[in-house]
Amino acid sequence: DQQVKQNSPSLSVQEGRISILNCDYTNSMFDYFLWYKKYPAEGPTFLISISSIKDKNEDGRFTVFLNKSAKHLSLHIVPSQPGDSAVYFCAASVYGGATNKLIFGTGTLLAVQP
Amino acid sequence: EAQVTQNPRYLITVTGKKLTVTCSQNMNHEYMSWYRQDPGLGLRQIYYSMNVEVTDKGDVPEGYKVSRKEKRNFPLILESPSPNQTSLYFCASLGLGTTGELFFGEGSRLTVL
Repeated sequence: DQQVKQNSPSLSVQEGRISILNCDYTNSMFDYFLWYKKYPAEGPTFLISISSIKDKNEDGRFTVFLNKSAKHLSLHIVPSQPGDSAVYFCAASVYGGATNKLIFGTGTLLAVQP
Repeated sequence: EAQVTQNPRYLITVTGKKLTVTCSQNMNHEYMSWYRQDPGLGLRQIYYSMNVEVTDKGDVPEGYKVSRKEKRNFPLILESPSPNQTSLYFCASLGLGTTGELFFGEGSRLTVL
């Protein structure tokens, strides 16, 4: 049972436009959400996070939106740059949970075309 | 430089030949974990450790062993590898009391023939 789902395996966007990556979750106990970025031949690196007490968190060109009633979060990248081309994983956890366990989605490959 | 180091980065082996993938972190993190990444399945947790001598199973522990004798090291052991363990493996660490941003190693690509 996939508790965190990224239904779009890939996304192609023109440089300068907005990239929107989506993620859905099923477990209502999740209260902390993260996005990781992964380049080929490298490990995932943390990008941005959001707590369930917020509905938006912004860091430069990256903004994460959380809709708790829909159990949906999205990552917006504005403007998109070719260097943003990577696989993006969303992850969810129960904050402060005993196991610090992150549940990852399957990833979305973003290609930003120059 | 804060980092998680895995070795080997690439390995081709044969069924049944025991192997160990090492993982070391220099951030004095209590929590360490192993994940495998497979196409269409994302990152799945194999084992994790909350501290020295404390380990527990993740979602896909079958065929794997771990140990945590020192805080900085968390090796992944495949006693008798099988082709379905062909995958990309990541070690990660986290300081307890932080907000969950795992630090990942660069990955170890394992092929079992």
